[in-house]
Amino acid sequence: QSVLTQPPSVSAAPGQKVTISCSGSSSNLGNNYVSWYLQLPGTAPKLLIYDNNKRPSGIPDRFSGSKSGTSATLGITGLQTGDEADYYCGTWDSSLSSVVFGGGTKLTVL
Amino acid sequence: EAQLVESGGGLVQPGGSLRLSCAASGFTFSTYWMSWVRQAPGKGLEWVANMRQDGSEKLYVDSVKGRFTISRDNSKNSTYLQMSSLRAEDTALYYCARFRRYLSSWYFDLWGQGTLVTVSS
Repeated sequence: QSVLTQPPSVSAAPGQKVTISCSGSSSNLGNNYVSWYLQLPGTAPKLLIYDNNKRPSGIPDRFSGSKSGTSATLGITGLQTGDEADYYCGTWDSSLSSVVFGGGTKLTVL
Repeated sequence: EAQLVESGGGLVQPGGSLRLSCAASGFTFSTYWMSWVRQAPGKGLEWVANMRQDGSEKLYVDSVKGRFTISRDNSKNSTYLQMSSLRAEDTALYYCARFRRYLSSWYFDLWGQGTLVTVSS
């Protein structure tokens, strides 16, 4: 059972938009920034979003992030088949004194 | 180009020990926190340990405290994870990652390709 809660899977058609939620508590998302990671099949994770809504160099603006209270959302527009991957949210949990991740969401582009 | 390369994984019996290494290149290693994150087969990501630039602060997930030790050698641009009293549940792909931490911001901005640790008799 992960500290951060994500839906196990989401799906949408090519060209459409999808959102992935990440729910936590006051000890983690409520007081810390969220980051998002993309893991393509058989590859290492890659930073997608940090500090709630900032994109590292090279990440297209089709990817966006937001946070409100103890919940965060990753948005992906203009879906492509190459976006099919697992997506993870992460942050620091002050009560556990640990970095925590969500359980991951598998995106299927139908 | 910044890069992390892990090594040292393998098959080990329960109760055994293993030392993982991570070689960094393409960035000023001594100015960054470093971390280990693992992923059990078919499962999600689990943070294992972090270490401050000068080694003065080390953090661990509860499940590995007392069994795993993170260390680094800034002269060799390398970080290590010494694992002992290994259990079947430690079986995972272990990633070395560069960790960014300031104020309320915590994230991993560079990842290696991982090294597989299998604990089995």
